[in-house]
Amino acid sequence: GAVVSQHPSWVICKSGTSVKIECRSLDFQATTMFWYRQFPKQSLMLMATSNEGSKATYEQGVEKDKFLINHASLTLSTLTVTSAHPEDSSFYICSARDLVHVDQYFGAGTRLSVL
Amino acid sequence: SQQGEEDPQALSIQEGENATMNCSYKTSINNLQWYRQNSGRGLVHLILIRSNEREKHSGRLRVTLDTSKKSSSLLITASRAADTASYFCATDEGTYKYIFGTGTRLKVLA
Repeated sequence: GAVVSQHPSWVICKSGTSVKIECRSLDFQATTMFWYRQFPKQSLMLMATSNEGSKATYEQGVEKDKFLINHASLTLSTLTVTSAHPEDSSFYICSARDLVHVDQYFGAGTRLSVL
Repeated sequence: SQQGEEDPQALSIQEGENATMNCSYKTSINNLQWYRQNSGRGLVHLILIRSNEREKHSGRLRVTLDTSKKSSSLLITASRAADTASYFCATDEGTYKYIFGTGTRLKVLA
């Protein structure tokens, strides 16, 4: 089956630094990828839709200057949390939409801890 | 935005019993998916059901979809302690952008 790889799976950083999370579709092309955030004991909240070759579309309330999204190829999207603060500590999950089969597959997630 | 509401929020049952979780959503959909998430871990895909389907089975899992009521249910039969997890429904709002429900925390007691 289709695989979406997310890296790193866990990252700890100091407050004020930036962290980049990668989302790759390993065996299919994805013109569209999605980024979600999940706080403890809560559901997944869609942050943004990442479109290959164009600007990402952010959900209401999500700061686009804080969460930079780049989707430079059909198999890679990155999320950069800029100037991270402890309140950005969360579980970030990406998903990729298979262009051919029109199904969506999720990565395993990245746990971000900001000290 | 969060579309799906799941019911119950938490469920505790004995091993061997059946567990039923319900998901309601607000807009038309193409697909509805159910996922499991163990504490602190990533999502595990369980079942995808399309809007023109009414029921799907996968092992001990049975999913129903009623588009007229905008609701779906997930039934886990003969539950096991290993089924303890959070279960989420996700709907695509008709635009392939999946929105997750609030989730049901299932605890299966041995």
